[in-house]
Amino acid sequence: AAGVIQSPRHLIKEKRETATLKCYPIPRHDTVYWYQQGPGQDPQFLISFYEKMQSDKGSIPDRFSAQQFSDYHSELNMSSLELGDSALYFCASSFGQGGGHSGNTIYFGEGSWLTVV
Amino acid sequence: TQLLEQSPQFLSIQEGENLTVYCNSSSVFSSLQWYRQEPGEGPVLLVTVVTGGEVKKLKRLTFQFGDARKDSSLHITAAQPGDTGLYLCAGARGNTPLVFGKGTRLSVIA
Repeated sequence: AAGVIQSPRHLIKEKRETATLKCYPIPRHDTVYWYQQGPGQDPQFLISFYEKMQSDKGSIPDRFSAQQFSDYHSELNMSSLELGDSALYFCASSFGQGGGHSGNTIYFGEGSWLTVV
Repeated sequence: TQLLEQSPQFLSIQEGENLTVYCNSSSVFSSLQWYRQEPGEGPVLLVTVVTGGEVKKLKRLTFQFGDARKDSSLHITAAQPGDTGLYLCAGARGNTPLVFGKGTRLSVIA
């Protein structure tokens, strides 16, 4: 079965540069979530989209922005990168919002490693 | 403040032993999901529990959701080296995004 696809898998950028991560949800999933996981940390929620509209906002810095496109894929844009932005960025998708019901199980991609040097 | 507290944080056991990992909160969750994560990889869903008191079994793994839907446990019987990994619990309240615990890092030694 198709899973959540993220690209690129690895990315190295210098401080103050810009990076864009892409996420392709599981087919027919209408909700996308972005999480950031620092080394040895638990995943921290950044932002989510439901039917191409922002649905929830977490600890996403103002330097970051994201959107969900008409084909339901999503992109996370990160500007003015800082060393502290180095992390594993996960995209997840579900059919329907949240995880409040068994039908809204959330599946994660393999992540995009961002290293800022 | 961590909404979901997982314990223990680290666990190292011998192959064949049993273990239990706990996920506790003072908040009520409408569902709770358990994931297993390998280094550098995305969390892989193990199970979702929805009903208070629910018990789900996945081969040697048994998951339980507390009656009050504030806590959950994961019990592994006869652990194997392949069970090594980071076990994360994540809770959802209504339509809000998942919040994660800090995880239990399990090491099973052959």
